[in-house]
Amino acid sequence: QVQLKETGPGLVQPTQTLSITCTVSGFSLTSYYMQWVRQTPGKGLEWMGFIRSGGSTEYNSEFKSRLSISRDTSKNQVFLKMNSLKTEDTGVYYCARGRSAHYWGQGVMVTVSS
Amino acid sequence: DIQMTQSPASLSASLEEIVTITCQASQDIGNWLSWYQQKPGKSPQLLIYGATSLADGVPSRFSGSRSGTQYSLKISRLQVEDIGIYYCLQAYSAPYTFGAGTKLELK
Repeated sequence: QVQLKETGPGLVQPTQTLSITCTVSGFSLTSYYMQWVRQTPGKGLEWMGFIRSGGSTEYNSEFKSRLSISRDTSKNQVFLKMNSLKTEDTGVYYCARGRSAHYWGQGVMVTVSS
Repeated sequence: DIQMTQSPASLSASLEEIVTITCQASQDIGNWLSWYQQKPGKSPQLLIYGATSLADGVPSRFSGSRSGTQYSLKISRLQVEDIGIYYCLQAYSAPYTFGAGTKLELK
């Protein structure tokens, strides 16, 4: 059974770094792309980036150099790190499996506020 | 970057009505187009992938089609449970891009 679950801090202060973990089960990270998507209040879905099955990454240039995606295949975990957070980064962050995002996690709400 | 122009932004339809939502890609994306349904407070759910393939467990009243760089999602007979927001996603080349969404409501 394919499962994805995001865990994160909930509240982050502006200028700080956001770290979110996506823990997966039921498949191998070496066989699938893993994507990160976010949804800010009242807005649609925004593609952030992915890590390929081979480990290479691609990012949305909107996040410039703030964003980093990595993984630990031995722990079945994918990581999102984004620095220099702004209040506009408040939203729900999702991980999703596959190039067509067949499976999604439940999402984790992140609030950026002092 | 590839732009995805989704229309309409909102749609009000009656039960059993046929509903069509479209996404226009700014360049060729082959069949790398997926459709998702999102309900309030929930994660998006895959409906269609590869432009025309129905995802597992999705009712057969949903279908996808392609004409050149225009992609369509059709709901053949609208049901109450189909209410939500629909998004397309192009996964042809990075950066991937979502359409802006279509909010589907009952008339």
